[in-house]
Amino acid sequence: GAGVSQSPRYKVTKRGQDVALRCDPISGHVSLYWYRQALGQGPEFLTYFNYEAQQDKSGLPNDRFSAERPEGSISTLTIQRTEQRDSAMYRCASSLGTRRQSSGNTIYFGEGSWLTVV
Amino acid sequence: AQKITQTQPGMFVQEKEAVTLDCTYDTSDQSYGLFWYKQPSSGEMIFLIYQGSYDEQNATEGRYSLNFQKARKSANLVISASQLGDSAMYFCAMRTSQGGSEKLVFGKGTKLTVNP
Repeated sequence: GAGVSQSPRYKVTKRGQDVALRCDPISGHVSLYWYRQALGQGPEFLTYFNYEAQQDKSGLPNDRFSAERPEGSISTLTIQRTEQRDSAMYRCASSLGTRRQSSGNTIYFGEGSWLTVV
Repeated sequence: AQKITQTQPGMFVQEKEAVTLDCTYDTSDQSYGLFWYKQPSSGEMIFLIYQGSYDEQNATEGRYSLNFQKARKSANLVISASQLGDSAMYFCAMRTSQGGSEKLVFGKGTKLTVNP
C-alpha cells in the first residue's frame, strides 16, 4: 500500500482479555518496528523485525507481549491478559532496511492503534 | 547508551517568523541517523527531515532545515516562515544499528504553538 496501515485504529478491551494489533508495512519494506507511545511522551521501542526474523525484542515490557511477522510482511503484536497500564497508542513503522544510514532509509510510521483497557 | 534530549517542553512563535527547536544526542556510534517528526493533534507521526552522521551538508526540506553540529552533538530543527498548521508536537529521534538490531530512540518532544 501507499503507507503503513494499522488496524484496529481504536480498541477498547476489558482487563484480562487478549488483544491482537495488526500492521501492514509499506510494500517492499524489509524492516518493521513496533513502538508504544503514552500520552505526552515520545514513542518507546518495543521490537524490530528484519524480514521475518525478530532481531530485537528488548523493548517488550514483559512476557505478555509478543510479536510475529511470519512471512516477512504483515506483523501482529499480541498482548495477553491485558492490564490497564497497557493502555497507550501502539505504532508500527517500516523502512527499506538497507542497513545503511542514508536518507533513502527513512522510517515511516502508521497512524497507530489506540488501546484502552477498562 | 543512546539518548536524545529535547530541553524545550513548549515553544511559541509568531506566524511568518522562524523558530528553532533544540535537540542534543548522546551516542558512541560512528554511524547514526537523526530524524525529526511532526505529530499534530490528530496523532499521526509525520516524517520531516533526515541527517546522516556522515553527511557534510545540513539537510533541508522546504521550510525545514536541520542545523547539524556533530562536535556538539546537536541537531536542531529550524522552521522558517512559520504557519498556523505548524502547531504540533515535534520529536527528534536517532537511529542506531547494533548487533543486528536497528531502532529509533526518541526525545520527549517539543510542543510548538504558532500564534496568528
